[in-house]
Amino acid sequence: GAVVSQHPSRVICKSGTSVKIECRSLDFQATTMFWYRQFPKQSLMLMATSNEGSKATYEQGVEKDKFLINHASLTLSTLTVTSAHPEDSSFYICSAPTRDYKNIQYFGAGTRLSVL
Amino acid sequence: GQSLEQPSEVTAVEGAIVQINCTYQTSGFYGLSWYQQHDGGAPTFLSYNGLDGLEETGRFSSFLSRSDSYGYLLLQELQMKDSASYFCAVRMAAGNKLTFGGGTRVLVKP
Repeated sequence: GAVVSQHPSRVICKSGTSVKIECRSLDFQATTMFWYRQFPKQSLMLMATSNEGSKATYEQGVEKDKFLINHASLTLSTLTVTSAHPEDSSFYICSAPTRDYKNIQYFGAGTRLSVL
Repeated sequence: GQSLEQPSEVTAVEGAIVQINCTYQTSGFYGLSWYQQHDGGAPTFLSYNGLDGLEETGRFSSFLSRSDSYGYLLLQELQMKDSASYFCAVRMAAGNKLTFGGGTRVLVKP
């Protein structure tokens, strides 16, 4: 079964609204989680690293004020797309790494965001 | 900058063997991972190489040569369900962050 749960799976919203996406690790604690964005038939682009108890680390070119990340507990990270616009429409996926030497990352099922 | 190169698409028939190559140029290297993603689904972990050599997991094997900055994923006895995108990913530092390649779409035909 899934070890990382992501909700919602799909969101359709009007331009200017904010959308919150949740990512939960179900079977293990995750001090770090990752948020990716993926365009159709393209690779996973890392947006930011979510750190429990501290500020997220954003990749170059990712707007911090647009994509708010909160890692409130060892099992929950949230991504809020603020004032969403059509260009923010995409597939957003979170992941949580295990602590073993293989650094396996378990991914959520993803959230398809469509901004009208 | 960091780069991971892999072929964009591969087509093969059921029962065949497919090798997906991945060459990387990164500022650091701790290991090479492979993930599978079906359309609309979540990536799932397939294999990891931290040291040179071959790792075998059922029908899938992965190889790494750190001196050549090169690795590959070998898919044997291809099945229709193996039609998916396959990504190589490099762990560049002691942390957990991964950098992904562009992905290889594998299409398995009857």
